[in-house]
Amino acid sequence: GEDVEQSLFLSVREGDSSVINCTYTDSSSTYLYWYKQEPGAGLQLLTYIFSNMDMKQDQRLTVLLNKKDKHLSLRIADTQTGDSAIYFCAENDSWGKFQFGAGTQVVVTP
Amino acid sequence: DGGITQSPKYLFRKEGQNVTLSCEQNLNHDAMYWYRQDPGQGLRLIYYSQIVNDFQKGDIAEGYSVSREKKESFPLTVTSAQKNPTAFYLCASSSDRVGANVLTFGAGSRLTVL
Repeated sequence: GEDVEQSLFLSVREGDSSVINCTYTDSSSTYLYWYKQEPGAGLQLLTYIFSNMDMKQDQRLTVLLNKKDKHLSLRIADTQTGDSAIYFCAENDSWGKFQFGAGTQVVVTP
Repeated sequence: DGGITQSPKYLFRKEGQNVTLSCEQNLNHDAMYWYRQDPGQGLRLIYYSQIVNDFQKGDIAEGYSVSREKKESFPLTVTSAQKNPTAFYLCASSSDRVGANVLTFGAGSRLTVL
């Protein structure tokens, strides 16, 4: 199974907030990442958070990190149709290797 | 602009043929990676290279081969030994410097075996 776990699907109405959740396994991970993938394209880095931070905000994106529970979330405020994509959570584990979740398909409906 | 270029974007292969996917980067990154993506699954690491003329197997290296003769280039060969090669292949690179080790991805190559 995946070392990094995410729910596979999220449907959200345009203008609402989206929250994508992720759990990871390596407590020594230094950085945790969120990537976005549009259909037929590569992954694009959205944001990352250092493990000694609890929260990071970047425009419409808010990342929350709970190290105790090894839980990471990405909140997208005022979700737009252009936010429809697959979102991947990733950790850089203690070996320096990236571990990706299976991705969350976000569908934004009008 | 700096980035990673993968080619071809789409590739069709007959069973029994080897194919090579190209990956070139002009980011001056030391490390390069090949991932395989299948629907509903995360990215699985095939091979990675942290320095020229050196590379290591990832989690699913069987049936694949790579070379790293130049810093900018990391081609992947999908051999006839790969049992189920139809997939989306992603190349990535990173600078591996102190601080956040961010992966930069190419646009991907979709391989279909006929």
